[in-house]
Amino acid sequence: QVQLVQSGAEVKKPGASVKVSCKASGYTFTSYGISWVRQAPGQGLEWMGWISAYNGNTNYAQKLQGRVTMTTDTSTSTAYMELRSLRSDDTAVYYCARTPTQYYDILTGYYKGPFDYWGQGTLVTVSS
Amino acid sequence: EIVMTQSPATLSVSPGERATLSCRASQSVSSNLAWYQQKPGQAPRLLIYGASTRATGIPARFSGSGSGTEFTLTISSLQSEDFAVYYCQQYNNWPGTFGQGTKLEIK
Repeated sequence: QVQLVQSGAEVKKPGASVKVSCKASGYTFTSYGISWVRQAPGQGLEWMGWISAYNGNTNYAQKLQGRVTMTTDTSTSTAYMELRSLRSDDTAVYYCARTPTQYYDILTGYYKGPFDYWGQGTLVTVSS
Repeated sequence: EIVMTQSPATLSVSPGERATLSCRASQSVSSNLAWYQQKPGQAPRLLIYGASTRATGIPARFSGSGSGTEFTLTISSLQSEDFAVYYCQQYNNWPGTFGQGTKLEIK
């Protein structure tokens, strides 16, 4: 069965960086992409970006451009999300989610689709 | 960026009754809309995509309808495990955007 298992909770100081991992199993990793979605305490869902596990192409939310980097390691079927220059409003649960390749828009290079399986979430707390 | 607006914010329904949740887009998203269920302390779960197609393993009591700017998620006979927060998401335009959620609570 499809599983996405994320790394454990992190506590970081403002200005630091965090790197969250997402290990996939139960499917062919390179046949799908991975999106990252975050949820601040008591708030809704915010899409952060997407990476193709096939070729490493990425799309990032405009508000996070320059602070976020998404990568994959196909040898271990693991996706990573690094967020730099952390602020208190980055405190959130960070989710990885699988994204079906059929929704990749070849013309624009953007992923435009739903998220069919999700990791369990990783709480990142930013506090001095 | 397309704004998704869900209503009501909270819906109180008795078990066994029907629940109807609404989602409105600020511009047409065609049928490129998904619904997710999220229970406390858990990740969201995909229920519906393409506005009306149930995801793998989703019970038939969940149904989605609509196109363009107006969408509905209907749960035909509420079970105890259905009380949760529901989010809609459009993926017609990049970036995909979520509604703020509807909390479905026991009446």
